[in-house]
Amino acid sequence: QSALTQPASVSGSPGQSITISCTGTSSDVGSYNLVSWYQQHPGKAPKLMIYEDSKRPSGVSNRFSGSKSGNTASLTISGLQTEDESDYYCCSYAGTNTFVFGTGTRVTVL
Amino acid sequence: EVQLVESGGGFVQPGGSLRLSCAASGFTFSSYSMNWVRQAPGKGLEWVSYISDSSSTIYYADSVKGRFTISRDNAKNSLYLQMNSLRDGDTAVYYCARELPYSYGYEFYYWGQGTLVTVSS
Repeated sequence: QSALTQPASVSGSPGQSITISCTGTSSDVGSYNLVSWYQQHPGKAPKLMIYEDSKRPSGVSNRFSGSKSGNTASLTISGLQTEDESDYYCCSYAGTNTFVFGTGTRVTVL
Repeated sequence: EVQLVESGGGFVQPGGSLRLSCAASGFTFSSYSMNWVRQAPGKGLEWVSYISDSSSTIYYADSVKGRFTISRDNAKNSLYLQMNSLRDGDTAVYYCARELPYSYGYEFYYWGQGTLVTVSS
């Protein structure tokens, strides 16, 4: 159950697009179409942004999109806005009702 | 409106025990599996434990296996986490979490506000 690997930080200017990667293994990310992404502001509970690799829950902006290739999942934020500045975590189902989170990425809007 | 409210956190010495509760409302609790997720201060999220809707299936992260016990009381709409043999590394905010109502159920959509557990001598 090793954590999925994410870049520690990603930054971009308002209006730009950024992509956060999430690298796992063939036992988790690569085995299931069950990667989810979470946004977490300081002192708050996480918020689900993407589930089942690329689906958006109702109410989440379409500026957020998810994709996956092999053992690496990605979250893209397009049209970056100041309110997108936050921590982001990926999570993958890892079989037998267990889950593994990513190491987390701090997104900074320049 | 779905609500999850954790309680039971606090300060405990290493080797001690604590029982967390999560009170659920706004949905048919007995129809959903539930999870505990924790976050150490300044650190990332860590999945802790899963329990199916009927309690027939239970899983734990390796880091807590043998020390923590997840349970639920569907009649009381409540989820629990009994934590024994606590270690410094168990210091964290503990969240209960539930999946989306219309998915395969492998994500965490509803979260409580969290309850802080501090293990220190």
